[in-house]
Amino acid sequence: NAGVMQNPRHLVRRRGQEARLRCSPMKGHSHVYWYRQLPEEGLKFMVYLQKENIIDESGMPKERFSAEFPKEGPSILRIQQVVRGDSAAYFCASSPQGGPGTQYFGPGTRLLVL
Amino acid sequence: TQLLEQSPQFLSIQEGENLTVYCNSSSVFSSLQWYRQEPGEGPVLLVTVVTGGEVKKLKRLTFQFGDARKDSSLHITAAQPGDTGLYLCAGESGTASKLTFGTGTRLQVTL
Repeated sequence: NAGVMQNPRHLVRRRGQEARLRCSPMKGHSHVYWYRQLPEEGLKFMVYLQKENIIDESGMPKERFSAEFPKEGPSILRIQQVVRGDSAAYFCASSPQGGPGTQYFGPGTRLLVL
Repeated sequence: TQLLEQSPQFLSIQEGENLTVYCNSSSVFSSLQWYRQEPGEGPVLLVTVVTGGEVKKLKRLTFQFGDARKDSSLHITAAQPGDTGLYLCAGESGTASKLTFGTGTRLQVTL
């Protein structure tokens, strides 16, 4: 049973470019969460999605960041016009159900903005 | 804003020693999860505790959820070098689903 998959594992972008991070949840999981880990900081919640719905985006920056989880295909975290402060590790987690439960994390995408 | 404070922040011990990591908050959580994270990898789930006072054991690791569901502890018996890593507690509240992560405890076990 494959775990949560994320790609790419490493992504380098220049300031002003777009970054697209992909997350495929575990088989049977329909709930996806994105977290960001800034250098020397803890993991912070960004957004919670179900298929075709954003449930909670209270942790998303107001501008340049968006997320989707289409009916088919992986969840995408999109960062437009990246800045150096966006450099971080971005982790996706999935769970089989919403509400209190267990989240399983992917290996993360390390984004470096030059 | 919910906060989870972990202590100690850093811990360096020798193989065979015992240790306890604490995770404290002023907020009540419906569940609490412990993860271990290796450099360059994602957090790996160790355990989920749900009931106040609950104790779970995973080989040499013992996890306890406080009676009031505001705090938790992780005790490792006879630590081994393979236990080295960043230990994270994470709390979940009601139906909010999002996890609030603790500040982390970085453990190093030497021979």
